[in-house]
Amino acid sequence: NAGVTQTPKFQVLKTGQSMTLQCAQDMNHNSMYWYRQDPGMGLRLIYYSASEGTTDKGEVPNGYNVSRLNKREFSLRLESAAPSQTSVYFCASSEARGDQPQHFGDGTRLSIL
Amino acid sequence: EDQVTQSPEALRLQEGESSSLNCSYTVSGLRGLFWYRQDPGKGPEFLFTLYSAGEEKEKERLKATLTKKESFLHITAPKPEDSATYLCAVAGTGGSYIPTFGRGTSLIVHP
Repeated sequence: NAGVTQTPKFQVLKTGQSMTLQCAQDMNHNSMYWYRQDPGMGLRLIYYSASEGTTDKGEVPNGYNVSRLNKREFSLRLESAAPSQTSVYFCASSEARGDQPQHFGDGTRLSIL
Repeated sequence: EDQVTQSPEALRLQEGESSSLNCSYTVSGLRGLFWYRQDPGKGPEFLFTLYSAGEEKEKERLKATLTKKESFLHITAPKPEDSATYLCAVAGTGGSYIPTFGRGTSLIVHP
């Protein structure tokens, strides 16, 4: 099984450019999540989708938008990239119950110049 | 608000030197405590879920234990391939079901 697949794996942008990070899961999970991971800061939740058709803000949503395209796919969009958004972005999925683990993709490494 | 603190931030061991990683947590009620392993350039990989105080789970050289305030990840006779960052996360019964992550412990095992 592929699990959680993220594309692209690496990306370099210039300040002000826009881009969309893609995520797809094949585990039939209801919930999907976007995190960013920065040195010394741990994993911080950007947005999540408890189920198809719903999205909610996490801890650090400013500068980002999301779309839950269907049950499998959850995308993250940067409308006008800023250097502060240089980070590693992880997508995850799980059952929406809190007692089940999350399954993560291998990340997108994003640099904004 | 759920809180998770992991210690130490970094740990260096010699191959075969057993040790423990700590995860202290504060939640209104525990849905689950999760341990993950993260290798450089990869996403976190699920290891264990613990649900109640006194529970223990084992996998190869790893053993996770849980009390009402903390969890330990015991590593017995580690090998260099156990080198990774270990993350702890807790999901509480108050508010959102989404787990809160600690900042992790970076483990290096020298041959």
